[in-house]
Amino acid sequence: EAGVTQSPTHLIKTRGQQATLRCSPISGHTSVYWYQQALGLGLQFLLWYDEGEERNRGNFPPRFSGRQFPNYSSELNVNALELEDSALYLCASSGGTSGRDTQYFGPGTRLTVL
Amino acid sequence: AQSVSQHNHHVILSEAASLELGCNYSYGGTVNLFWYVQYPGQHLQLLLKYFSGDPLVKGIKGFEAEFIKSKFSFNLRKPSVQWSDTAEYFCAARNDYKLSFGAGTTVTVRA
Repeated sequence: EAGVTQSPTHLIKTRGQQATLRCSPISGHTSVYWYQQALGLGLQFLLWYDEGEERNRGNFPPRFSGRQFPNYSSELNVNALELEDSALYLCASSGGTSGRDTQYFGPGTRLTVL
Repeated sequence: AQSVSQHNHHVILSEAASLELGCNYSYGGTVNLFWYVQYPGQHLQLLLKYFSGDPLVKGIKGFEAEFIKSKFSFNLRKPSVQWSDTAEYFCAARNDYKLSFGAGTTVTVRA
């Protein structure tokens, strides 16, 4: 069974630009979660999507947004990039026969803002 | 708000030594508890989890954790570590939809 996949692996942007990160969940999983792992700040919950709807978001500004597609893959968009957005962005999925209670993580996208 | 704290930032030990990593959570209601591991250059992997039942949980690679409700703790243990256990270890608590993570503990095992 394939795990959670994310693309791209690395992304370099300049301040003010927009970044788009993509995630494909484990087959059969309907929930996708996004987390930010910034240096010194640990893993912080960003967004939760389930069945195509945004269910909840963490304490991040509105320029962090996303969506979930009918095939349950997801996109995270970060607008008006700031230097402090540099971080590893992790996607996780849950659901299906695994149940919603356990989240499985992808390898992450390393975003660098110059 | 729910929070998770890990007692040690960095632990260094020799092969065959025993390992115990502390984890405390603040939430008093029903909570699911997890330990994840991140090996160098790899993604977060689930080591073990506790939902209910036997408070001593066994995971992969010889790891186990004990849930002590009265102490709000979920400590991770391994009787004898190997060099390949060098990694960063994260404790997490799940309430409803999201995971709250501890800051992580870097474990370095010297051969």
